[in-house]
Amino acid sequence: LAKTTQPISMDSYEGQEVNITCSHNNIATNDYITWYQQFPSQGPRFIIQGYKTKVTNEVASLFIPADRKSSTLSLPRVSLSDTAVYYCLVFGSGNTGKLIFGQGTTLQVKP
Amino acid sequence: DTGVSQDPRHKITKRGQNVTFRCDPISEHNRLYWYRQTLGQGPEFLTYFQNEAQLEKSRLLSDRFSAERPKGSFSTLEIQRTEQGDSAMYLCASTNRGLADTRAGELFFGEGSRLTVL
Repeated sequence: LAKTTQPISMDSYEGQEVNITCSHNNIATNDYITWYQQFPSQGPRFIIQGYKTKVTNEVASLFIPADRKSSTLSLPRVSLSDTAVYYCLVFGSGNTGKLIFGQGTTLQVKP
Repeated sequence: DTGVSQDPRHKITKRGQNVTFRCDPISEHNRLYWYRQTLGQGPEFLTYFQNEAQLEKSRLLSDRFSAERPKGSFSTLEIQRTEQGDSAMYLCASTNRGLADTRAGELFFGEGSRLTVL
Protein backbone atom coordinates (compact mmCIF):
# COMPACT_ATOMS: atom_id res chain seq x y z
CA LEU A 1 0.00 0.00 0.00
CA ALA A 2 1.27 3.46 -0.88
CA LYS A 3 2.67 5.56 1.94
CA THR A 4 1.09 8.97 2.46
CA THR A 5 2.60 12.15 3.85
CA GLN A 6 0.55 15.05 5.17
CA PRO A 7 1.20 17.97 7.53
CA ILE A 8 1.03 17.14 11.22
CA SER A 9 -1.08 20.16 12.06
CA MET A 10 -2.84 23.19 10.60
CA ASP A 11 -4.61 26.21 12.02
CA SER A 12 -7.46 28.11 10.46
CA TYR A 13 -10.22 30.56 11.34
CA GLU A 14 -13.94 30.20 11.11
CA GLY A 15 -15.34 30.94 7.69
CA GLN A 16 -12.10 30.27 5.84
CA GLU A 17 -11.50 27.60 3.23
CA VAL A 18 -9.01 24.97 4.36
CA ASN A 19 -6.90 22.92 2.00
CA ILE A 20 -4.99 19.91 3.29
CA THR A 21 -2.51 18.41 0.87
CA CYS A 22 -1.33 14.83 0.97
CA SER A 23 1.48 13.27 -1.04
CA HIS A 24 1.40 9.64 -2.18
CA ASN A 25 4.28 9.32 -4.61
CA ASN A 26 4.09 5.55 -5.10
CA ILE A 27 0.36 5.27 -5.63
CA ALA A 28 -0.56 2.31 -7.83
CA THR A 29 -2.78 2.37 -10.88
CA ASN A 30 -5.64 0.61 -9.08
CA ASP A 31 -5.44 2.70 -5.91
CA TYR A 32 -8.02 5.23 -4.76
CA ILE A 33 -7.52 8.17 -2.40
CA THR A 34 -9.74 8.31 0.64
CA TRP A 35 -10.07 10.87 3.41
CA TYR A 36 -11.40 10.39 6.93
CA GLN A 37 -12.22 12.73 9.80
CA GLN A 38 -11.89 11.84 13.47
CA PHE A 39 -13.11 13.70 16.54
CA PRO A 40 -11.71 12.93 20.01
CA SER A 41 -13.06 9.74 21.55
CA GLN A 42 -14.89 8.78 18.36
CA GLY A 43 -14.14 6.42 15.51
CA PRO A 44 -12.99 7.86 12.17
CA ARG A 45 -15.67 8.91 9.71
CA PHE A 46 -15.45 8.67 5.91
CA ILE A 47 -15.41 12.03 4.14
CA ILE A 48 -14.68 11.45 0.48
CA GLN A 49 -13.00 9.16 -2.03
CA GLY A 50 -11.60 9.81 -5.48
CA TYR A 51 -9.47 8.41 -8.26
CA LYS A 52 -8.58 11.42 -10.40
CA THR A 53 -9.56 15.03 -11.18
CA LYS A 54 -12.17 16.40 -8.82
CA VAL A 55 -14.80 14.89 -6.57
CA THR A 56 -17.28 16.95 -4.57
CA ASN A 57 -19.90 16.02 -2.01
CA GLU A 58 -21.91 17.89 0.58
CA VAL A 59 -18.97 18.04 2.97
CA ALA A 60 -15.79 18.55 0.97
CA SER A 61 -14.02 18.53 -2.37
CA LEU A 62 -11.09 16.37 -3.36
CA PHE A 63 -8.65 17.52 -6.02
CA ILE A 64 -6.32 14.99 -7.64
CA PRO A 65 -3.84 16.08 -10.31
CA ALA A 66 -3.19 14.03 -13.42
CA ASP A 67 -0.11 12.28 -12.01
CA ARG A 68 -2.08 11.31 -8.88
CA LYS A 69 1.02 11.68 -6.71
CA SER A 70 -0.78 14.07 -4.43
CA SER A 71 -4.28 15.10 -3.47
CA THR A 72 -5.89 18.05 -1.73
CA LEU A 73 -8.88 17.92 0.56
CA SER A 74 -10.77 21.20 0.51
CA LEU A 75 -13.15 22.15 3.32
CA PRO A 76 -15.22 25.23 2.45
CA ARG A 77 -15.99 27.80 5.13
CA VAL A 78 -14.88 25.83 8.16
CA SER A 79 -16.52 26.19 11.55
CA LEU A 80 -15.30 25.38 15.05
CA SER A 81 -16.92 21.96 14.75
CA ASP A 82 -14.52 21.06 11.94
CA THR A 83 -11.67 20.91 14.46
CA ALA A 84 -10.56 17.30 14.11
CA VAL A 85 -7.87 15.01 12.78
CA TYR A 86 -7.99 14.39 9.04
CA TYR A 87 -6.46 11.27 7.53
CA CYS A 88 -5.41 10.77 3.94
CA LEU A 89 -5.31 7.12 2.89
CA VAL A 90 -4.58 5.23 -0.28
CA PHE A 91 -6.94 2.37 -0.80
CA GLY A 92 -6.28 -0.51 -3.14
CA SER A 93 -9.25 -2.18 -4.74
CA GLY A 94 -7.33 -5.43 -5.03
CA ASN A 95 -6.71 -5.99 -1.36
CA THR A 96 -8.90 -6.95 1.57
CA GLY A 97 -10.22 -3.45 1.89
CA LYS A 98 -8.21 -2.68 4.99
CA LEU A 99 -7.16 0.91 5.44
CA ILE A 100 -3.71 1.92 6.66
CA PHE A 101 -3.85 5.12 8.68
CA GLY A 102 -0.95 7.50 9.20
CA GLN A 103 -0.76 10.18 11.88
CA GLY A 104 -3.16 12.47 10.11
CA THR A 105 -3.42 16.26 10.14
CA THR A 106 -4.78 17.91 13.25
CA LEU A 107 -6.86 20.88 12.12
CA GLN A 108 -7.56 23.54 14.72
CA VAL A 109 -10.26 26.04 13.77
CA LYS A 110 -10.17 29.23 15.77
CA PRO A 111 -12.98 31.76 16.26
CA ASP B 1 -30.53 2.63 11.35
CA THR B 2 -28.12 1.75 14.14
CA GLY B 3 -24.42 2.11 13.62
CA VAL B 4 -21.59 -0.13 14.72
CA SER B 5 -21.95 -0.88 18.41
CA GLN B 6 -19.07 -1.71 20.73
CA ASP B 7 -19.15 -2.96 24.29
CA PRO B 8 -17.91 -2.10 26.82
CA ARG B 9 -17.03 1.50 26.05
CA HIS B 10 -14.50 1.57 28.85
CA LYS B 11 -12.61 -1.19 30.60
CA ILE B 12 -10.07 -0.89 33.38
CA THR B 13 -8.20 -4.02 34.29
CA LYS B 14 -5.11 -5.15 36.11
CA ARG B 15 -2.09 -6.46 34.31
CA GLY B 16 -2.34 -10.16 33.65
CA GLN B 17 -6.13 -10.28 33.42
CA ASN B 18 -8.05 -11.29 30.32
CA VAL B 19 -10.46 -8.91 28.62
CA THR B 20 -12.98 -9.35 25.86
CA PHE B 21 -14.54 -6.73 23.63
CA ARG B 22 -17.64 -7.18 21.54
CA CYS B 23 -18.55 -5.54 18.25
CA ASP B 24 -21.98 -5.59 16.64
CA PRO B 25 -21.60 -4.41 13.04
CA ILE B 26 -24.27 -2.79 10.96
CA SER B 27 -26.78 -5.40 9.89
CA GLU B 28 -25.77 -7.33 6.75
CA HIS B 29 -22.30 -5.87 6.63
CA ASN B 30 -20.15 -8.79 5.58
CA ARG B 31 -16.75 -7.18 6.16
CA LEU B 32 -15.53 -6.45 9.67
CA TYR B 33 -12.26 -4.94 10.88
CA TRP B 34 -10.58 -4.42 14.23
CA TYR B 35 -8.17 -1.55 14.80
CA ARG B 36 -6.22 -0.30 17.79
CA GLN B 37 -5.46 3.35 18.41
CA THR B 38 -3.14 4.94 20.95
CA LEU B 39 -3.04 8.61 21.84
CA GLY B 40 -1.76 10.81 19.05
CA GLN B 41 -1.54 8.01 16.52
CA GLY B 42 -3.78 6.89 13.72
CA PRO B 43 -5.72 3.63 14.01
CA GLU B 44 -3.58 0.52 13.51
CA PHE B 45 -5.04 -2.45 11.64
CA LEU B 46 -5.36 -5.65 13.69
CA THR B 47 -7.53 -8.12 11.79
CA TYR B 48 -10.18 -8.54 9.11
CA PHE B 49 -13.17 -10.84 8.67
CA GLN B 50 -15.26 -11.52 5.64
CA ASN B 51 -18.41 -13.10 7.00
CA GLU B 52 -17.16 -15.63 9.56
CA ALA B 53 -13.73 -16.15 7.97
CA GLN B 54 -10.74 -14.35 9.43
CA LEU B 55 -8.84 -13.50 6.26
CA GLU B 56 -6.07 -11.29 7.52
CA LYS B 57 -4.26 -10.75 10.77
CA SER B 58 -1.60 -8.14 11.42
CA ARG B 59 1.88 -9.43 12.11
CA LEU B 60 1.92 -6.96 14.98
CA LEU B 61 -0.82 -8.92 16.72
CA SER B 62 0.71 -11.15 19.35
CA ASP B 63 -0.65 -14.60 20.16
CA ARG B 64 -2.28 -13.09 23.26
CA PHE B 65 -4.87 -11.56 20.94
CA SER B 66 -7.63 -13.60 19.37
CA ALA B 67 -10.68 -12.56 17.41
CA GLU B 68 -13.75 -14.45 16.33
CA ARG B 69 -16.83 -13.80 14.30
CA PRO B 70 -19.13 -16.78 14.72
CA LYS B 71 -21.95 -16.97 12.20
CA GLY B 72 -20.66 -13.88 10.49
CA SER B 73 -22.53 -11.46 12.72
CA PHE B 74 -21.02 -9.98 15.88
CA SER B 75 -17.32 -10.25 16.62
CA THR B 76 -15.25 -10.55 19.77
CA LEU B 77 -11.67 -9.52 20.43
CA GLU B 78 -10.01 -11.16 23.41
CA ILE B 79 -6.75 -10.13 24.97
CA GLN B 80 -5.17 -12.62 27.32
CA ARG B 81 -2.66 -11.77 30.05
CA THR B 82 -3.00 -8.05 29.44
CA GLU B 83 0.05 -5.81 29.58
CA GLN B 84 0.27 -2.07 30.15
CA GLY B 85 1.23 -1.66 26.50
CA ASP B 86 -2.19 -2.98 25.53
CA SER B 87 -3.81 0.19 26.85
CA ALA B 88 -5.49 1.75 23.84
CA MET B 89 -8.77 2.39 22.10
CA TYR B 90 -9.99 -0.70 20.25
CA LEU B 91 -12.08 0.21 17.22
CA CYS B 92 -14.35 -1.99 15.18
CA ALA B 93 -15.50 -1.13 11.67
CA SER B 94 -17.79 -2.78 9.17
CA THR B 95 -18.88 -2.32 5.58
CA ASN B 96 -20.76 -4.00 2.80
CA ARG B 97 -19.21 -1.91 0.05
CA GLY B 98 -17.89 -3.94 -2.82
CA LEU B 99 -14.21 -3.47 -3.51
CA ALA B 100 -15.08 -1.92 -6.88
CA ASP B 101 -17.65 0.44 -5.37
CA THR B 102 -17.01 4.18 -5.76
CA ARG B 103 -17.13 4.36 -1.97
CA ALA B 104 -15.23 1.14 -1.44
CA GLY B 105 -12.98 2.87 1.09
CA GLU B 106 -15.90 3.69 3.35
CA LEU B 107 -15.70 1.81 6.60
CA PHE B 108 -18.24 2.51 9.32
CA PHE B 109 -16.49 2.74 12.66
CA GLY B 110 -17.91 2.27 16.11
CA GLU B 111 -17.04 4.61 18.96
CA GLY B 112 -14.49 2.19 20.33
CA SER B 113 -13.70 0.39 23.54
CA ARG B 114 -11.10 2.12 25.66
CA LEU B 115 -8.84 -0.24 27.59
CA THR B 116 -6.71 0.85 30.53
CA VAL B 117 -4.33 -1.72 31.97
CA LEU B 118 -3.02 -0.84 35.42
